[in-house]
Amino acid sequence: GESVGLHLPTLSVQEGDNSIINCAYSNSASDYFIWYKQESGKGPQFIIDIRSNMDKRQGQRVTVLLNKTVKHLSLQIAATQPGDSAVYFCAETPWSSASKIIFGSGTRLSIRP
Amino acid sequence: DARVTQTPRHKVTEMGQEVTMRCQPILGHNTVFWYRQTMMQGLELLAYFRNRAPLDDSGMPKDRFSAEMPDATLATLKIQPSEPRDSAVYFCASAELGNYGYTFGSGTRLTVV
Repeated sequence: GESVGLHLPTLSVQEGDNSIINCAYSNSASDYFIWYKQESGKGPQFIIDIRSNMDKRQGQRVTVLLNKTVKHLSLQIAATQPGDSAVYFCAETPWSSASKIIFGSGTRLSIRP
Repeated sequence: DARVTQTPRHKVTEMGQEVTMRCQPILGHNTVFWYRQTMMQGLELLAYFRNRAPLDDSGMPKDRFSAEMPDATLATLKIQPSEPRDSAVYFCASAELGNYGYTFGSGTRLTVV
């Protein structure tokens, strides 16, 4: 049969606006949640992580929010810039002692000038 | 900045041929991962090592794939025999124990014809 490519959800944002990328996770036992950014032709790059006992963590221009009640994770990017164009992956650690993470399917962030 | 080095960057080979991909992790990182990225499956964990010992290779097709760390500066992923469905980008990443901020290499883009 004909194969169907994986269609990444795309978020289009005006340059200078804030971006919010969402992720749903399934494993309530996950201990850490992580966001990675992947630019075209490059490997994923670590952005920020959050432990399951926290609900918010801030970095430089980025904030991660964790809602364990609904198993939802979000990445907020302030004042989005052209260099933020990339695919963003959320990831989780099902086993807290193993340093092993499982990646989600990704969201493509597109910046409008 | 310290980086993970992968070779080759691109590889085109015929079905049935052996393929070896190499990775030099960051000095001092004791955990090394191999991931495969395709449009259909996204980022899949194939195998990972801690202190050169294999911890988990459950994501890897055992009949044709093998991963080794002959020393702390080299990790290899071998496919024998290669098949067209192995076409993907293969990433190596390294990390310190307990650190979820992996450093990824730039990947090896493998095409099997």
